[in-house]
Amino acid sequence: GAGVSQSPRYKVTKRGQDVTLRCDPISSHATLYWYQQALGQGPEFLTYFNYEAQPDKSGLPSDRFSAERPEGSISTLTIQRTEQRDSAMYRCASSLREASRGEQFFGPGTRLTVL
Amino acid sequence: AQTVTQSQPEMSVQEAETVTLSCTYDTSENNYYLFWYKQPPSRQMILVIRQEAYKQQNATENRFSVNFQKAAKSFSLKISDSQLGDTAMYFCAFMKETSGSRLTFGEGTQLTVNP
Repeated sequence: GAGVSQSPRYKVTKRGQDVTLRCDPISSHATLYWYQQALGQGPEFLTYFNYEAQPDKSGLPSDRFSAERPEGSISTLTIQRTEQRDSAMYRCASSLREASRGEQFFGPGTRLTVL
Repeated sequence: AQTVTQSQPEMSVQEAETVTLSCTYDTSENNYYLFWYKQPPSRQMILVIRQEAYKQQNATENRFSVNFQKAAKSFSLKISDSQLGDTAMYFCAFMKETSGSRLTFGEGTQLTVNP
């Protein structure tokens, strides 16, 4: 596609529910990143994929968070048993390849609100 | 671990004037990239400018330029001829020059351009 897309753009859920967020990167991009951005703060790294491999998931805050990219294109981020502290903007970014001189292109984000 | 610090939570400038946003970082790496991202009210993340650490020449993109001081680990952004559309949150970010590197962001500086 022309840019990185994410869906849904907004998600409101109740504490304890599971949510799945989707990211569709730029079609030629091998590398995909997930970041979490709390209100008034900078994004923080969660995990990344190189094609379908997930070399680094050290930023995932707990085992309730998981991500996958089974075919090396679209990725999903799942949060199980959501908690109010999970409320944030979740951003996806993609780059042409690993270590591609920092050219990460960001999607519009999914704003998650946990009531 | 790398850290990025932006010591100015808010700044304001009159239209057509020049403003400088500060950023310092801490790293033991020798090769890395530095970035300024802009986040307007729409909350998109837009790359403003990029600097490779091995380049001594400061990067410039139209009205935006940086003052990169590697020894001091300082990376400031200068915006000349400020425009109303420059009103946004500005994030400084760091990335190591290794495969799959994540972006590490500062806390952000909210810039307001006044008419």
